[in-house]
Amino acid sequence: DGGITQSPKYLFRKEGQNVTLSCEQNLNHDAMYWYRQDPGQGLRLIYYSQIVNDFQKGDIAEGYSVSREKKESFPLTVTSAQKNPTAFYLCASSIMLLAGTSGSDEQFFGPGTRLTVL
Amino acid sequence: KQEVTQIPAALSVPEGENLVLNCSFTDSAIYNLQWFRQDPGKGLTSLLLIQSSQREQTSGRLNASLDKSSGRSTLYIAASQPGDSATYLCAVRPAVYSGGGADGLTFGKGTHLIIQP
Repeated sequence: DGGITQSPKYLFRKEGQNVTLSCEQNLNHDAMYWYRQDPGQGLRLIYYSQIVNDFQKGDIAEGYSVSREKKESFPLTVTSAQKNPTAFYLCASSIMLLAGTSGSDEQFFGPGTRLTVL
Repeated sequence: KQEVTQIPAALSVPEGENLVLNCSFTDSAIYNLQWFRQDPGKGLTSLLLIQSSQREQTSGRLNASLDKSSGRSTLYIAASQPGDSATYLCAVRPAVYSGGGADGLTFGKGTHLIIQP
């Protein structure tokens, strides 16, 4: 059963604490993404990765870090430097089209992790 | 910077009606546009993807159109059902992506749709 899994579903963080959100995919996708969603808002891009051991900052990367040691996994760490981390976090993946090629690079999303700061 | 706007922000209609959700974007240099559905507290489900060279895509009761030059897309839902109640999100991928890479999507804030039984 192919798809994207995220864990945990709910996460609570104390002030000054780092927490890590898990994202795993078995779709054999090269590209993976992390988005943040606040109430009544659209999704905003935090980080994305095109290939193992490489990743790029999105629009709101401050206070977050990522790693991509395996193709299937793209964990997100919310550090103590992130001043307002309470949000719904969504992971996504897609194929990565090569320059000059065509195809469907539809993004598929996981079920999300809801992070709350205590 | 690309901005995506969705109108209306909320919509409530009786079951059986046909309806249209609107999406506009400020930079017409897009690679593709994707429509998603989100149920409360859940992740996103992809509904339709339209490449920049296409005019429309259809899936069942859903039809999405794209007018890239005017920066507009519409999602048409035929014969609405209570199960269609959800938030619908529109997102665009930048055209610079066509040179390779995997940039993320820019999203609108969504249209919250309620279908009354």
